[in-house]
Amino acid sequence: QKEVEQDPGPLSVPEGAIVSLNCTYSNSAFQYFMWYRQYSRKGPELLMYTYSSGNKEDGRFTAQVDKSSKYISLFIRDSQPSDSATYLCAMSAGYALNFGKGTSLLVTP
Amino acid sequence: DGGITQSPKYLFRKEGQNVTLSCEQNLNHDAMYWYRQDPGQGLRLIYYSQIVNDFQKGDIAEGYSVSREKKESFPLTVTSAQKNPTAFYLCASSIDEGAKPQPQHFGDGTRLSIL
Repeated sequence: QKEVEQDPGPLSVPEGAIVSLNCTYSNSAFQYFMWYRQYSRKGPELLMYTYSSGNKEDGRFTAQVDKSSKYISLFIRDSQPSDSATYLCAMSAGYALNFGKGTSLLVTP
Repeated sequence: DGGITQSPKYLFRKEGQNVTLSCEQNLNHDAMYWYRQDPGQGLRLIYYSQIVNDFQKGDIAEGYSVSREKKESFPLTVTSAQKNPTAFYLCASSIDEGAKPQPQHFGDGTRLSIL
């Protein structure tokens, strides 16, 4: 079992929809959680960084961590075509980051 | 503008050849990393360095080598011993706060292909 599982998609939604992206993990020692957005042929760009359980909001993005269920989520409100990208979750217990495989999102006008 | 610059954007390697990928950062970050990204796979750590003149192997270091002679530079050499080098290579950096992982900031990658 991989330490971090992420559905690769693709996920297609109409513009304006609320998008929910998720990752599950098996290592209960993970305490730091991140979401990255990666456009085609570009490097990942950090969207959200959270520590332990709870919610964090930044503009249209909300990150949610449920350590009891070993489940993290990223919500995108009022999705835009410019949000079309691959979203990577990453998490860590100490130094190294463990990445999910990424979910491909397409927001159609 | 502060950031991470990777060059070249595209690179081709002949059989038996070593090639070097460049990574430079002007963020004044202590830690630097190299990842490999293959289609349908997550990022896999090749090497990382927390300080000048020191580096550690990641999960897939075989067939790769690095150096860290300057804080801002962390070049990666893909040697002829790496039998499947075709991939997208990403360099990242972060501030180093010991056991508390910091967000890593990425360059725009180098795509390496075999001729």
